[in-house]
Amino acid sequence: DAGITQSPRYKITETGRQVTLMCHQTWSHSYMFWYRQDLGHGLRLIYYSAAADITDKGEVPDGYVVSRSKTENFPLTLESATRSQTSVYFCATNPTSSLNYGYTFGSGTRLTVV
Amino acid sequence: AQSVSQHNHHVILSEAASLELGCNYSYGGTVNLFWYVQYPGQHLQLLLKYFSGDPLVKGIKGFEAEFIKSKFSFNLRKPSVQWSDTAEYFCAVRPSGGGADGLTFGKGTHLIIQP
Repeated sequence: DAGITQSPRYKITETGRQVTLMCHQTWSHSYMFWYRQDLGHGLRLIYYSAAADITDKGEVPDGYVVSRSKTENFPLTLESATRSQTSVYFCATNPTSSLNYGYTFGSGTRLTVV
Repeated sequence: AQSVSQHNHHVILSEAASLELGCNYSYGGTVNLFWYVQYPGQHLQLLLKYFSGDPLVKGIKGFEAEFIKSKFSFNLRKPSVQWSDTAEYFCAVRPSGGGADGLTFGKGTHLIIQP
């Protein structure tokens, strides 16, 4: 089915470990985004990408790395996980820089760092 | 940089009550405005959006919002809420005119509808 798929849905990892969250879309939308959702903070942008091989930092990029070698995939890597990175992570896409459609969000990954 | 303020973090209403959730933004230029809803355990869904034209915008599920430029506000309303409206509601803004540096979200309002 077309859409955005995030994996895994739930992840528990230990402090200091590297973990990668996956985001896959089937629409070939140009723009992809990673947000984290925390109580009291709402959603905050981590990284975004305007096209394959083009990425840029958002509001809270520290401790995260992204890549976009293919249009359909936008993985988010925590290089050395910390407890403060316990959060729900949402991937989103948009077909162009225009927001006529709003963003389409994935179902999220709930990450717990112990 | 733009910012969004949602006045109420938690709202509790009874079914059939009227709803108004406040949203104010800070930005010196023209903006696009959005309301998203997140039902328990689900992802965000677009309720409605404002780009230009009629400042009263109607969305899905009976929701509407009014853009008041002079007040930098985009309040969400519904005349009669239902138990199924229990959810988290997010206001979001982005400067209009291109660019793709992401939406800026408010911190959200947790709405609970009591049967």
